[in-house]
Amino acid sequence: GESVGLHLPTLSVQEGDNSIINCAYSNSASDYFIWYKQESGKGPQFIIDIRSNMDKRQGQRVTVLLNKTVKHLSLQIAATQPGDSAVYFCAENNAGGTSYGKLTFGQGTILTVHP
Amino acid sequence: GAGVSQSPSNKVTEKGKDVELRCDPISGHTALYWYRQSLGQGLEFLIYFQGNSAPDKSGLPSDRFSAERTGGSVSTLTIQRTQQEDSAVYLCASSLALQGGGYTFGSGTRLTVV
Repeated sequence: GESVGLHLPTLSVQEGDNSIINCAYSNSASDYFIWYKQESGKGPQFIIDIRSNMDKRQGQRVTVLLNKTVKHLSLQIAATQPGDSAVYFCAENNAGGTSYGKLTFGQGTILTVHP
Repeated sequence: GAGVSQSPSNKVTEKGKDVELRCDPISGHTALYWYRQSLGQGLEFLIYFQGNSAPDKSGLPSDRFSAERTGGSVSTLTIQRTQQEDSAVYLCASSLALQGGGYTFGSGTRLTVV
């Protein structure tokens, strides 16, 4: 989602629920997308990536979906745990599906998982 | 090293002073990036270096900001005549360009200008 000023979108879930975090991107030329998790006082941590020639990719407990038609990216976290509480950022570039060049970040979503 | 290392982790400086922030990327990573993150905000691109190519400085907010990368490894971000609006977390990342797998970030330097 998008945010205004200092107010990031928030998502609160119960432990064990599935979480879905959304991201809209604006550059139709973007061809590589990454989800990052950032815990307080730490740098962003890579979660999962996807190239524009795919619409779905799965990792351990996480799935990324890409809809290029509407320029939308989502991150699904299965069986959310308290340790998943963090700020989640989507990021994009247009470097042929590689980790090269300027990476543009979304505003982020705060995920809070309640025990 | 095993990860991207940044120093110092915290820096408090007086308005008008110059500061230098250091980044030690993952060994072998050819690309290095600097980002700035203000409180509660996303990451703002500043500059990136790739091998011996001229750096992309398109994100530097003013001529008070500069960066260099020596020997294709360690990088220093310098902010001259610091202002209060420069207060932020400065994050460095490195990547093995031309491959996927994302960019690896350091823990950042929290800069406070008083």
